[in-house]
Amino acid sequence: DTGVSQDPRHKITKRGQNVTFRCDPISEHNRLYWYRQTLGQGPEFLTYFQNEAQLEKSRLLSDRFSAERPKGSFSTLEIQRTEQGDSAMYLCASSLGYRGRFGYGYTFGSGTRLTVV
Amino acid sequence: DAKTTQPPSMDCAEGRAANLPCNHSTISGNEYVYWYRQIHSQGPQYIIHGLKNNETNEMASLIITEDRKSSTLILPHATLRDTAVYYCIVLEGKLIFGQGTELSVKP
Repeated sequence: DTGVSQDPRHKITKRGQNVTFRCDPISEHNRLYWYRQTLGQGPEFLTYFQNEAQLEKSRLLSDRFSAERPKGSFSTLEIQRTEQGDSAMYLCASSLGYRGRFGYGYTFGSGTRLTVV
Repeated sequence: DAKTTQPPSMDCAEGRAANLPCNHSTISGNEYVYWYRQIHSQGPQYIIHGLKNNETNEMASLIITEDRKSSTLILPHATLRDTAVYYCIVLEGKLIFGQGTELSVKP
């Protein structure tokens, strides 16, 4: 297990289309997070899961966004009816549920860059 | 909102120490300070974290003031590959990022 994997790395879509991103966390991590990052800004928290339960959603997560983690392993983030303002880097991270040697071990993937045209 | 404030940018000469300050005056007694960095087009990378004692690892040192209201990340011998945005974060159950400091290491 080499880290957090995200797929695809890049996605270009037309306005109004639906897109889905996938995140595979580190296998022993029971927490999974989604962030969005626009140019020149720090990552913004969207939502997080503990195992399969979605425990928190940011107000940034509009009705067009939905995230799932059906078996407590990988997660998907879907954006329906994409808008140009959705263009951003979508980052996934995973962590332990307890503090270890490296803290909670928050580890980020390389992100999916979405461009809505 | 992030609980930290950092200068937006800093320069450092290659081979010299880079000292990145962070203010977190509202930190609570049991909240940890984490430092991450983000190299262009990559995900944030963990550097170091601490509670109240100074910490050192193979990447950096973290100095936390006695009142815990500020901290400094030290890269002892900066290289060109250390050019990145550095984020100081007070952990609030999850990582909440501020704007970070854009560090430019120059030859």
